[in-house]
Amino acid sequence: LAKTTQPISMDSYEGQEVNITCSHNNIATNDYITWYQQFPSQGPRFIIQGYKTKVTNEVASLFIPADRKSSTLSLPRVSLSDTAVYYCLVGDVYGGSQGNLIFGKGTKLSVKP
Amino acid sequence: NAGVTQTPKFQVLKTGQSMTLQCAQDMNHEYMSWYRQDPGMGLRLIHYSVGAGITDQGEVPNGYNVSRSTTEDFPLRLLSAAPSQTSVYFCASSYTTSGTGELFFGEGSRLTVL
Repeated sequence: LAKTTQPISMDSYEGQEVNITCSHNNIATNDYITWYQQFPSQGPRFIIQGYKTKVTNEVASLFIPADRKSSTLSLPRVSLSDTAVYYCLVGDVYGGSQGNLIFGKGTKLSVKP
Repeated sequence: NAGVTQTPKFQVLKTGQSMTLQCAQDMNHEYMSWYRQDPGMGLRLIHYSVGAGITDQGEVPNGYNVSRSTTEDFPLRLLSAAPSQTSVYFCASSYTTSGTGELFFGEGSRLTVL
C-alpha cells in the first residue's frame, strides 16, 4: 500500500495561490491520487482525483509528474474559507488495495487576511 | 438524498459499557468504512466492507466489531469501551468496491469514554 507524506501545516494569505505537495514513493501502477478537504467538526469531502499529468476542476488543480512519486494540489487565490485540513490518499480503483485505504495525517492550511 | 447518516452524533460511555455506532447510506454504494480521528493523528481506518456479507480489518481494528448484513447499513460495535476509544468516528461510502472512487463521509460521531 502506498503511504503518503505531507507537510503538517502551511500558512498563506488571502488571494495567494497555495500548493500542497504529497509524497508517495511506492505508488503502484494502478493507484490513483485523491485529495480531500476537511473543515472542523465535519467529515472530509472530495476535492479532486487524478492518475497522471494535470487535472483541473472548478476548485483546484492536481499536478502529477511523470514518475508519479509525488503530487501537488494547487488552490488558486485562496480565501479565509479555504482554511482546512487537506488529505492526500493513494489507492487502486481496480481493487488492488482491496479497500484498505490509509489516509496520511493531512496538511493544516491556515489562510490569513 | 440523505447521503451518509451517522447516529448518534454525541455519546458518553463509562469504561466497560457497550454501544453501537450506526451508519446508513442511501446511494447504493458497495464500499463502506469506519475511521477514527484523534488530534494530530489524521484519519485511521478501523474496518471496511466491499459489499454485504464481506468485512475486513483496517489499521486499528482492536476493540471494534462490524457486520454488513445489508448494502445500506454498516454498524460499528464497541463491546467493552475503553478511554482509549475516545475519539471522533467517521463512516464513509463509495461506489467502487475498492473505495478509491469518491468517498462520501458522514458528519461524525463524537464518543467520550470515561
